[in-house]
Amino acid sequence: GAGVSQSPSNKVTEKGKDVELRCDPISGHTALYWYRQSLGQGLEFLIYFQGNSAPDKSGLPSDRFSAERTGGSVSTLTIQRTQQEDSAVYLCASSTQGAWAEKLFFGSGTQLSVL
Amino acid sequence: EDKVVQSPLSLVVHEGDTVTLNCSYEVTNFRSLLWYKQEKKAPTFLFMLTSSGIEKKSGRLSSILDKKELFSILNITATQTGDSAVYLCAVENNNDMRFGAGTRLTVKP
Repeated sequence: GAGVSQSPSNKVTEKGKDVELRCDPISGHTALYWYRQSLGQGLEFLIYFQGNSAPDKSGLPSDRFSAERTGGSVSTLTIQRTQQEDSAVYLCASSTQGAWAEKLFFGSGTQLSVL
Repeated sequence: EDKVVQSPLSLVVHEGDTVTLNCSYEVTNFRSLLWYKQEKKAPTFLFMLTSSGIEKKSGRLSSILDKKELFSILNITATQTGDSAVYLCAVENNNDMRFGAGTRLTVKP
């Protein structure tokens, strides 16, 4: 597609439920990043995929968070047993080379609200 | 600990004013500093700076990096209501890209 696509754009869930957030990067981009942005905060790095390499999971805040990237393209971020503090905008970004080298193209994000 | 600090956190100006946004950083193995404009939810790229003292310019926006004093500024001249957004600064090192909390700019007609 023309840009990074994320779905859903908004998700309201109850505490304790699992949620899946989807990211479709720009075609041909080998690097994919997930960030979280809480209200009034900067972007918090979560996880980074580069090609077929093992992902950099160093930013995942707990073991309730996981992500996968199938076929080097679409990525899914899963949050299990959601908590109210998980409420945030989850942003996905992609780039052509990765390794943090260059500008990122961001999706419009998923606004997650945990009640 | 690596950190990126932006100031001010918020700024309200009137159309036609000139604004200067600040980003200071402390990171090991600095590689580059980037500025993004975030309207609604998706940040869009503005500038990437790697060398000190070289101004990058795009229309009414310009930015410069000082690697000795560890800061960058983003200038916007003749502001317009469409410049209202959160401006994010990000600093890249060998392993990570760390974002500041952003400056929320509001331009009033």
